[in-house]
Amino acid sequence: EPEVTQTPSHQVTQMGQEVILRCVPISNHLYFYWYRQILGQKVEFLVSFYNNEISEKSEIFDDQFSVERPDGSNFTLKIRSTKLEDSAMYFCASSRTGHMNTEAFFGQGTRLTVV
Amino acid sequence: QQQVKQSPQSLIVQKGGISIINCAYENTAFDYFPWYQQFPGKGPALLIAIRPDVSEKKEGRFTISFNKSAKQFSLHIMDSQPGDSATYFCAGSDGSGNTGKLIFGQGTTLQVKP
Repeated sequence: EPEVTQTPSHQVTQMGQEVILRCVPISNHLYFYWYRQILGQKVEFLVSFYNNEISEKSEIFDDQFSVERPDGSNFTLKIRSTKLEDSAMYFCASSRTGHMNTEAFFGQGTRLTVV
Repeated sequence: QQQVKQSPQSLIVQKGGISIINCAYENTAFDYFPWYQQFPGKGPALLIAIRPDVSEKKEGRFTISFNKSAKQFSLHIMDSQPGDSATYFCAGSDGSGNTGKLIFGQGTTLQVKP
């Protein structure tokens, strides 16, 4: 069964450092997403990406965040200068379309710890 | 207006019992309401979903009840099993933007006791 894969599973970084979280979406999917889940809190939408551009982003997704699909298979989230409050589980997801009723498939997540 | 409120935060049910999780939404533009199940160390996985043009959807032991006028929907798990122990998230989506964005509730941790 196809799945979304994320690497690394756990990343520890120093405050102020740049991190890149990587995702390989399901191969025939066209829409890609990043969500985050701070420990004990709800899953929050960060950004959606289609046709090599951001289609929607949340207020959380400020200038320190960027996304890229560098090679047609990987989908990355870059955090330029990490803050303590960026510590969270980051989930990548993909779907065939952006329409309602289209299931979004989530990866297993990358736990980011900023120290 | 984007919020989805979910309750209870945690739930303990005996094996064979009925688990009920409730959600309320604010955005009347939401037109798709999925429930996701998340096991520890895993990402959320779609369990069942409903559109607002129906009041109920059933898949096996899982049923969504939807009340459009009250802007509420709920998940019922019949004959709850220990394997159902997980965190459940309701969500809403506004399909008009065609971006697929999901707005999640706060989550409910379900424990089914043997």
